[in-house]
Amino acid sequence: DAMVIQNPRYQVTQFGKPVTLSCSQTLNHNVMYWYQQKSSQAPKLLFHYYDKDFNNEADTPDNFQSRRPNTSFCFLDIRSPGLGDAAMYLCATSRVQDRPSEQYFGPGTRLTVT
Amino acid sequence: GQNIDQPTEMTATEGAIVQINCTYQTSGFNGLFWYQQHAGEAPTFLSYNVLDGLEEKGRFSSFLSRSKGYSYLLLKELQMKDSASYLCAVVDSNYQLIWGAGTKLIIKP
Repeated sequence: DAMVIQNPRYQVTQFGKPVTLSCSQTLNHNVMYWYQQKSSQAPKLLFHYYDKDFNNEADTPDNFQSRRPNTSFCFLDIRSPGLGDAAMYLCATSRVQDRPSEQYFGPGTRLTVT
Repeated sequence: GQNIDQPTEMTATEGAIVQINCTYQTSGFNGLFWYQQHAGEAPTFLSYNVLDGLEEKGRFSSFLSRSKGYSYLLLKELQMKDSASYLCAVVDSNYQLIWGAGTKLIIKP
């Protein structure tokens, strides 16, 4: 089945220790998104890629970086995690950027910062 | 600024009907999505409305009024598995999704 896969599902890291979250998709979608979602809050868009074209949201902290080496894979790097970065991180994909298109979500990675 | 408003929490009884409202103020409008999100899981697509009116899909229906900046999700014959958060998201003029914080629906036997 075509899907969006995120690894790991649960990640524990120490304060200030870099961490990388990964996402892969078998849907062959052009657009990939990274969201941060805290409890009982709306998902907050961090970045998105249209093919290799990177789009950073204005309020995404510099501490968050992303890489998309190919269509299938996308990574979220948190260079120096703080306690406030503990959240669920959701990867999503969609077919196109320039018209409304359903987003397909991975299961998420729950990040704990100790 | 852009704003999506939904009630924080609602409670309903198994077998009943519930309506979850969403009002929005966004820069442009290119459609509205409803997603379901079970606790600790990713959102899953329920419906998409871009024209005024009611879209029915099984036990779930979604309504849109663009002139009022208003949508609702109607859930019929509620089942315990419908306990989840329901997120309203609007596509703005830049085709970006603006998300509401979600409505947590609690179903009681």
